Amino acid sequence: GESVGLHLPTLSVQEGDNSIINCAYSNSASDYFIWYKQESGKGPQFIIDIRSNMDKRQGQRVTVLLNKTVKHLSLQIAATQPGDSAVYFCAEEYNQGGKLIFGQGTELSVKP
Amino acid sequence: DAGVIQSPRHEVTEMGQEVTLRCKPISGHNSLFWYRQTMMRGLELLIYFNNNVPIDDSGMPEDRFSAKMPNASFSTLKIQPSEPRDSAVYFCASTSWQSLIYTFGSGTRLTVV
Repeated sequence: GESVGLHLPTLSVQEGDNSIINCAYSNSASDYFIWYKQESGKGPQFIIDIRSNMDKRQGQRVTVLLNKTVKHLSLQIAATQPGDSAVYFCAEEYNQGGKLIFGQGTELSVKP
Repeated sequence: DAGVIQSPRHEVTEMGQEVTLRCKPISGHNSLFWYRQTMMRGLELLIYFNNNVPIDDSGMPEDRFSAKMPNASFSTLKIQPSEPRDSAVYFCASTSWQSLIYTFGSGTRLTVV
């Protein structure tokens, strides 16, 4: 279901470390998941996606893991850089209806 | 391509006034989405269109909100009358038919005082 809150979960990491951002989704019938990055003052930007017939997908410095058993999605960023500082959203395709439902978001802060 | 273009970037209006937000999707994209973003509720889908036809408007909060897509290159989201609780950032996104990789615009920050 939808969570309501005044503050985003925050993850603070040191530059060069790996980051793991987690997301729980609600609909066991969802078969497509996607991660977006939103920098301050900008719209969300696509990072990586995964279908439910996969449990792992890798991109450049990013990996998405999907655990359908516990309805959990994670985004791993290798060698985190200051430019990775942003809010990260997971989203799922809702009821195969061609629309994305976004999660709450996690703010990633990278310390130099 | 200039991406999804939204205007205005910022809008400040008084309660009760009509507000119109505009969006130009990426050329060739068949689907267009309007989202609203607030700290309390995150990113909420308001309405989306396929081939200029509204498909799902279940996210439109009230009758004060309306959206149109008169052609493939233009959409509007109108709020009449506006209320302070409508203050938010409104995003437009577009994508190709059956793709779920949306391209978002830079958003319109609406403040209703």
